[in-house]
Amino acid sequence: NAGVTQTPKFRILKIGQSMTLQCAQDMNHNYMYWYRQDPGMGLKLIYYSVGAGITDKGEVPNGYNVSRSTTEYFPLRLELAAPSQTSVYFCASSYSSLAGSNEQFFGPGTRLTVL
Amino acid sequence: GENVEQHPSTLSVQEGDSAVIKCTYSDSASNYFPWYKQELGKRPQLIIDIRSNVGEKKDQRIAVTLNKTAKHFSLHITETQPEDSAVYFCAASNPGSWGKLQFGAGTQVVVTP
Repeated sequence: NAGVTQTPKFRILKIGQSMTLQCAQDMNHNYMYWYRQDPGMGLKLIYYSVGAGITDKGEVPNGYNVSRSTTEYFPLRLELAAPSQTSVYFCASSYSSLAGSNEQFFGPGTRLTVL
Repeated sequence: GENVEQHPSTLSVQEGDSAVIKCTYSDSASNYFPWYKQELGKRPQLIIDIRSNVGEKKDQRIAVTLNKTAKHFSLHITETQPEDSAVYFCAASNPGSWGKLQFGAGTQVVVTP
């Protein structure tokens, strides 16, 4: 299993440009998450999904959009990039169970710089 | 919603000594408490987790303790080694949160030889 994969690894955008960060998982997890991590800081939840076709906002959703048409893929869309969106973006996935929450598996991250 | 506070923000220890990181949470319904380790430039990875029906869990040199009454949990690393140098994040989650984790701000641990 590849686990959680993300592309690209690095990207430089100009202010006002748009891009899509790709995330895929091959563990058949129904829950998926997008976080951003600013330098020297913790993880902030942007959006999450509990299954195909179901997404919801996290703590810092402004400037981002998501979609989830299949269990495997959970792309994050940045529209009109701003310098404040310079960050490392992590995608994660987990499975649901009667016991409640479980381990989140993280992708390797995408380092985004907006100039 | 849930709020998790983590202390200290930085921790320097001599190789071979023990390190302790403490977290408090606000939501008494939280029942899952994982700890993640993030090495520089890498992704966070789970090192140990505990559920609310257990008071302590140990895995080799690391252990986690949970005090539900006081709503705090701690990570203990014994016989620290240079490879333990990293940022450690605690987190808490409740059953109704769709698996979402509320993370603490992180602790930078530096183990000096």
